[in-house]
Amino acid sequence: GENVEQHPSTLSVQEGDSAVIKCTYSDSASNYFPWYKQELGKRPQLIIDIRSNVGEKKDQRIAVTLNKTAKHFSLHITETQPEDSAVYFCAAIATNTSGTYKYIFGTGTRLKVLA
Amino acid sequence: NAGVMQNPRHLVRRRGQEARLRCSPMKGHSHVYWYRQLPEEGLKFMVYLQKENIIDESGMPKERFSAEFPKEGPSILRIQQVVRGDSAAYFCASSRDAQNTEAFFGQGTRLTVV
Repeated sequence: GENVEQHPSTLSVQEGDSAVIKCTYSDSASNYFPWYKQELGKRPQLIIDIRSNVGEKKDQRIAVTLNKTAKHFSLHITETQPEDSAVYFCAAIATNTSGTYKYIFGTGTRLKVLA
Repeated sequence: NAGVMQNPRHLVRRRGQEARLRCSPMKGHSHVYWYRQLPEEGLKFMVYLQKENIIDESGMPKERFSAEFPKEGPSILRIQQVVRGDSAAYFCASSRDAQNTEAFFGQGTRLTVV
């Protein structure tokens, strides 16, 4: 069935360093890949997304890259700050046998930015 | 636009009781997803609904759990005869359509079974 794997499960970085989170997906028909940030006790919120017609997208300190051939996509956070500490989820839109779509989430990465 | 509204935010039920969780999607959104999140864990897909239709319920337990999204009113996730293992945060998300568009999450309902 559809699957999204996410690594690492936890990541600690020093303030100012970069953080990279990687995901792989199984459904070759997936064409939309959002990333969500969930702070403790709060709802997941979209921080960036990428569609399959581009290989990279950047928004200030956050960037996402997509390799459709390898079915990989990654989140890059540069110049990390303490407020970046949260759980990050990747997701992919997957199709099921009847041709409908659903969001499948990775298992999450707990990022800690150490001051 | 008030965003995705879930209520209640916190729900305490005794074992054997029923839990009803409500989700009002964003205005203009006709697609609703329910996810379950255990402490320190990820978002587990439960069910995907459109108005009056269940599109995919492959993540729903076969017994005690049901979901609906009527023509009028919020989507309801219903858990009958709750057990302690049902304690979790339940998030709903809505989107305008199912492909290539952002899903917005509600604040979640934290269910505690005592």
